[in-house]
Amino acid sequence: SQQGEEDPQALSIQEGENATMNCSYKTSINNLQWYRQNSGRGLVHLILIRSNEREKHSGRLRVTLDTSKKSSSLLITASRAADTASYFCATVALWGTSYGKLTFGQGTILTVHP
Amino acid sequence: EAQVTQNPRYLITVTGKKLTVTCSQNMNHEYMSWYRQDPGLGLRQIYYSMNVEVTDKGDVPEGYKVSRKEKRNFPLILESPSPNQTSLYFCASSLSGDNQPQHFGDGTRLSIL
Repeated sequence: SQQGEEDPQALSIQEGENATMNCSYKTSINNLQWYRQNSGRGLVHLILIRSNEREKHSGRLRVTLDTSKKSSSLLITASRAADTASYFCATVALWGTSYGKLTFGQGTILTVHP
Repeated sequence: EAQVTQNPRYLITVTGKKLTVTCSQNMNHEYMSWYRQDPGLGLRQIYYSMNVEVTDKGDVPEGYKVSRKEKRNFPLILESPSPNQTSLYFCASSLSGDNQPQHFGDGTRLSIL
């Protein structure tokens, strides 16, 4: 089942602007991950945040996690046209029968205009 | 270069004709899994493997088989493909499956007529 809900479904911005995507989930998690997918290609791992972490940075990416609200956000600063892609959050449940399974949200389509 | 390699990348075939999608990783990862991606349904796990000879079902295993005889390979087998298995398939691997990022292949687009 798809546990993650992402918001917005689509986001269109100009180069240089910041892009913020949000993700909500339903069950207790071990960790939450963000992935990028260019059209028709494989998913590329961006960042992993553990359930006991609140914020993580990687280059122009900043991820926050609020386990009390069961939500996460991905901020891309100073966006570039090359950031145009679909972005997915995925959770790994704290317990369950499927070890290591990523449960994906529906994704946010980000378009960055030059 | 560290990578997950899937073959074929594209396949059009007919109902009932057995097919295998291969997946190979060169990172000595213990954990491997298969996902399918469908419009409106997103990505769903089909099967996973925690190590050689250890496999288990994901969310949508019906109609699929897997095997893990070697650490690097994790083929997905469709014994009798049907049109509802038309989809984009991804193989993924990670060091341990727990608190580790997963590395995805480029995908295999299957069309079952």
